[in-house]
Amino acid sequence: NAGVMQNPRHLVRRRGQEARLRCSPMKGHSHVYWYRQLPEEGLKFMVYLQKENIIDESGMPKERFSAEFPKEGPSILRIQQVVRGDSAAYFCASSEGPGQTYGYTFGSGTRLTVV
Amino acid sequence: KNQVEQSPQSLIILEGKNCTLQCNYTVSPFSNLRWYKQDTGRGPVSLTIMTFSENTKSNGRYTATLDADTKQSSLHITASQLSDSASYICVVSVYGGSQGNLIFGKGTKLSVKP
Repeated sequence: NAGVMQNPRHLVRRRGQEARLRCSPMKGHSHVYWYRQLPEEGLKFMVYLQKENIIDESGMPKERFSAEFPKEGPSILRIQQVVRGDSAAYFCASSEGPGQTYGYTFGSGTRLTVV
Repeated sequence: KNQVEQSPQSLIILEGKNCTLQCNYTVSPFSNLRWYKQDTGRGPVSLTIMTFSENTKSNGRYTATLDADTKQSSLHITASQLSDSASYICVVSVYGGSQGNLIFGKGTKLSVKP
């Protein structure tokens, strides 16, 4: 069981480019959550997805950010036209059922640097 | 506003010593409280989870306490080891809230020195 796999581990993008972050949940987990961590800050919830559905996106910025979790393949967090303020660590977590009941397993994160 | 405050922000102790980390929260209504360990460059790993009715829970050398009346929790680490050096994060869930909407503290950065 490889755990929650995130790639890439590090991503460098120039301002205005697109960033795609991938998350493969643990085997058997169909619930995926994305969090952002700014330097010296706590993790902040972004979006909660189940297969093919967005359950809660209340933490997602209204523009430039989108997330999907297709029937096949990993969950993708997409950031269009990146700006310096998007530089952060992005963590994905997965759970077997609703996380508050089943608990969360986190990946190692993707560190995005916008130059 | 739902918030989780942790103290101290950072802590340095000698190997073999004990330490206690604090967490105060204003999350309401309360569902449960988790302590996570986050090594540098890694994702958080769960240590304990406590519900409203639980006062103490242990996981090896880690013991968490919860006082739901004062909305305080602590994480006590016994006989510290070099591998305990990490950030320890207190996370509180809102009852009835979104399944993904956890409230994270900023963490306490613990350094264990030989």
